[in-house]
Amino acid sequence: AQSVTQLGSHVSVSEGALVLLRCNYSSSVPPYLFWYVQYPNQGLQLLLKYTSAATLVKGINGFEAEFKKSETSFHLTKPSAHMSDAAEYFCAVSVNSGNTPLVFGKGTRLSVIA
Amino acid sequence: DAGVTQSPTHLIKTRGQQVTLRCSPKSGHDTVSWYQQALGQGPQFIFQYYEEEERQRGNFPDRFSGHQFPNYSSELNVNALLLGDSALYLCASSPTGREANYGYTFGSGTRLTVV
Repeated sequence: AQSVTQLGSHVSVSEGALVLLRCNYSSSVPPYLFWYVQYPNQGLQLLLKYTSAATLVKGINGFEAEFKKSETSFHLTKPSAHMSDAAEYFCAVSVNSGNTPLVFGKGTRLSVIA
Repeated sequence: DAGVTQSPTHLIKTRGQQVTLRCSPKSGHDTVSWYQQALGQGPQFIFQYYEEEERQRGNFPDRFSGHQFPNYSSELNVNALLLGDSALYLCASSPTGREANYGYTFGSGTRLTVV
C-alpha cells in the first residue's frame, strides 16, 4: 500500500522568502508523485508530477520538486514566495500507469506574510 | 474548453436522507473518479467509473454508489446520510489509453453539509 506524509500542517513564510513544503512517501513499487494546490473553495490544480523521468521536476508558478529515492522524499520548493501562493498544498502518490487512484497526504497550509 | 463541472456547488441535507451529486468530465475524458475531502484532510478515493462500470473502489461503505452515463458524465449517490458524510466531494476526470498518464483534472467540488 502507498502512503504520504506531509510534515507540517501549516507553514508560514515572508513574501520573497524560500518556500519549502515537505513530503515523504511510502510505496512498495516505484512511485508516481504529484503536488496539487487548492485555493479556498476551489478544487485541486496540478502543480507538477514525477513519473520516473528526470528527478528534478519543474511545475507551474515557479514551483519545483526533487524526487529523492534514498530519502523517499518529494519536497516542493519555490525560491521566492508571492502573496498569491497562499493556499493548501497536497502531495499525492500513485503506482503503475493509467488511471490508478491517487493517495493524498493531509495537506500543508501555506501562509505568506507581507 | 470547459473543464470538469460539478453540481450543485453546495448542498445541505438532513441525517438519513439521500443525496445525488453530479459531474461532467472534461471534453475528451472518459474516466471519472470521485474523492471525499473532509475538513482539514486530504482527498480520499471513493470509486472510479469507466465504460459505465465501477472499475476501482476505495474503502467506503455500500451507502456510496455511483453511475456513469453513455456521455461519460457521472453521479455519486449517498444513502442514509450521516453527520460524518459532511465533506467536499471532488470529481476528477481523465483520459484512457496512452494519454492516461496521470491526466487527472479536478472539478471545484460539491460542499455537502449534513445536519
